[in-house]
Amino acid sequence: NAGVIQTPRHKVTGKGQEATLWCEPISGHSAVFWYRQTIVQGLEFLTYFRNQAPIDDSGMPKERFSAQMPNQSHSTLKIQSTQPQDSAVYLCASSRKGDQDTQYFGPGTRLLVL
Amino acid sequence: AQSVDQPDAHVTLSEGASLELRCSYSYSAAPYLFWYVQYPGQSLQFLLKYITGDTVVKGTKGFEAEFRKSNSSFNLKKSPAHWSDSAKYFCALEGPTNAYKVIFGKGTHLHVLP
Repeated sequence: NAGVIQTPRHKVTGKGQEATLWCEPISGHSAVFWYRQTIVQGLEFLTYFRNQAPIDDSGMPKERFSAQMPNQSHSTLKIQSTQPQDSAVYLCASSRKGDQDTQYFGPGTRLLVL
Repeated sequence: AQSVDQPDAHVTLSEGASLELRCSYSYSAAPYLFWYVQYPGQSLQFLLKYITGDTVVKGTKGFEAEFRKSNSSFNLKKSPAHWSDSAKYFCALEGPTNAYKVIFGKGTHLHVLP
């Protein structure tokens, strides 16, 4: 079991560029979560998929952030027109069924927007 | 509104001492409570959770936590502490409604001196 896989581990972009972050959940897990971690804000929930369907994206900044889960083996988080304030570690987690369930976190993608 | 408070940003103690990391929560109903640990350079790992039943829950790595409804707390304990326990610890809450949407505390940095 390789755990949750996130790629790339580090990404540096220029202001205004697009960034796409990838997550491969643990095989057999039906729920995928995205979080953002910064020193100031801590861990913030962004969005949640269950059985590939978007359930809750209430934590997503509305204008430039989007997430998809085209199949059960991967999810993407896309940030358009990146801004310096988007710099953070983006964490993906998966769980077997979502509710009340232990979440298994990936190593994260450290995004730096210059 | 749901919230989790970890009042101690840093805790330092000597190896062999007993550790207790504080966590209080605010939620209108009975919450589900979790502790996660983040070792330097790594992602979050599950330690333990309280869903229902016994108010003292035991987790991995010798940790346990006690759910106290009377003062809305879920403190993490371990005795004795080991230098390898040095890490950042996160308390988290999940509500029965919108279950899955985990609210994390800001975390407590634990430093165990050898």
